[in-house]
Amino acid sequence: AQKITQTQPGMFVQEKEAVTLDCTYDTSDPSYGLFWYKQPSSGEMIFLIYQGSYDQQNATEGRYSLNFQKARKSANLVISASQLGDSAMYFCAMASNTGNQFYFGTGTSLTVIP
Amino acid sequence: NAGVTQTPKFQVLKTGQSMTLQCAQDMNHEYMSWYRQDPGMGLRLIHYSVGAGITDQGEVPNGYNVSRSTTEDFPLRLLSAAPSQTSVYFCASRRGVDNEQFFGPGTRLTVL
Repeated sequence: AQKITQTQPGMFVQEKEAVTLDCTYDTSDPSYGLFWYKQPSSGEMIFLIYQGSYDQQNATEGRYSLNFQKARKSANLVISASQLGDSAMYFCAMASNTGNQFYFGTGTSLTVIP
Repeated sequence: NAGVTQTPKFQVLKTGQSMTLQCAQDMNHEYMSWYRQDPGMGLRLIHYSVGAGITDQGEVPNGYNVSRSTTEDFPLRLLSAAPSQTSVYFCASRRGVDNEQFFGPGTRLTVL
């Protein structure tokens, strides 16, 4: 069964604007972690941000923030003040604290337009 | 710290050949995993390990074997390569369940 769903195959955003990348997840575990990774065209996987299921506040890392809505099982990534270098694939992932596995979504391709 | 290293970066095999993809990490991480990435399908877990001597299957384990004799190394063996195994393979490691994964640079494998 699919654990992570990213419904936006491709997104466009104007430079300096904010953009939200959607992610929903499915788990029955009481404790889990949510992650976002960036994959530029060069192919490497770059960790962006982490949110624990028991964290009371939304995680932030520089221009990245995670809009965590536990009841809706969503963990959307918000990128503020988009830059040309933000053009990449973005993957949402979930780690189950009981299953030892890491599940990835199918990704969203973001293009920043100058 | 080299992080997670993978060799080779590129490989071309003929159907039926076997080979081993190497993965090593120098961060003393207990958790290590192998993924394959195919267009439109994200990353799918092949095998993973939670410590030396302990391995388990992921989502797509068929055709692959792993072993974990040391904390540092986690090789992935293709027993008899098939064209369906053409993919980009990533090795990753993490300290624990609440921690992010660190990825190697990937191996691009083509099976003819």
